[in-house]
Amino acid sequence: DAGITQSPRHKVTETGTPVTLRCHQTENHRYMYWYRQDPGHGLRLIHYSYGVKDTDKGEVSDGYSVSRSKTEDFLLTLESATSSQTSVYFCAISAGGRKNGELFFGEGSRLTVL
Amino acid sequence: QQQVKQSPQSLIVQKGGIPIINCAYENTAFDYFPWYQQFPGKGPALLIAIRPDVSEKKEGRFTISFNKSAKQFSLHIMDSQPGDSATYFCAARPSGAGSYQLTFGKGTKLSVIP
Repeated sequence: DAGITQSPRHKVTETGTPVTLRCHQTENHRYMYWYRQDPGHGLRLIHYSYGVKDTDKGEVSDGYSVSRSKTEDFLLTLESATSSQTSVYFCAISAGGRKNGELFFGEGSRLTVL
Repeated sequence: QQQVKQSPQSLIVQKGGIPIINCAYENTAFDYFPWYQQFPGKGPALLIAIRPDVSEKKEGRFTISFNKSAKQFSLHIMDSQPGDSATYFCAARPSGAGSYQLTFGKGTKLSVIP
């Protein structure tokens, strides 16, 4: 299994509070991604990173920010959580090049915003 | 906008049956089509993938059929087993710039009953 660790795995928070989810990899892969998974919507890309300090927006980036100060860590921050951000969040990594479609996913972080 | 349309949303088959999951895409610049399998409580995992220069790819009991002219591809599971019960996602990767962003279908929940 790819070395990907997400933390926390479960979190309950209140509307308006900041939340940070962490993704840590031990594979030294260049690309890292944050997806959210919701019933009826499948997997939707929030943000991705193609290198240290190089990030870009995905399909559903509003209300989220990311940072990548080291190859192995990719942080997802909800500055002020809303109930619509209740979801399961998955981090994924990819080696890039011809393997760009080969994503390795973490176990997920279930976030509930009350 | 949804660029990869997946059907059906859910599927129930008897053990030994051959479930078929279909996906259709709109962007002709896609060059890699992976399928991911997700068990409850786990992250998705790459199952099998195909490139548009071939019409079929088999790996064990899993087969992808690809119809480039119709812009459709499908997953067949031969001799399905209860252990195949999972959610399956098709995806597509654009060629060239943006090739690090996969577009996922909304998923198909497969139940294989004994």
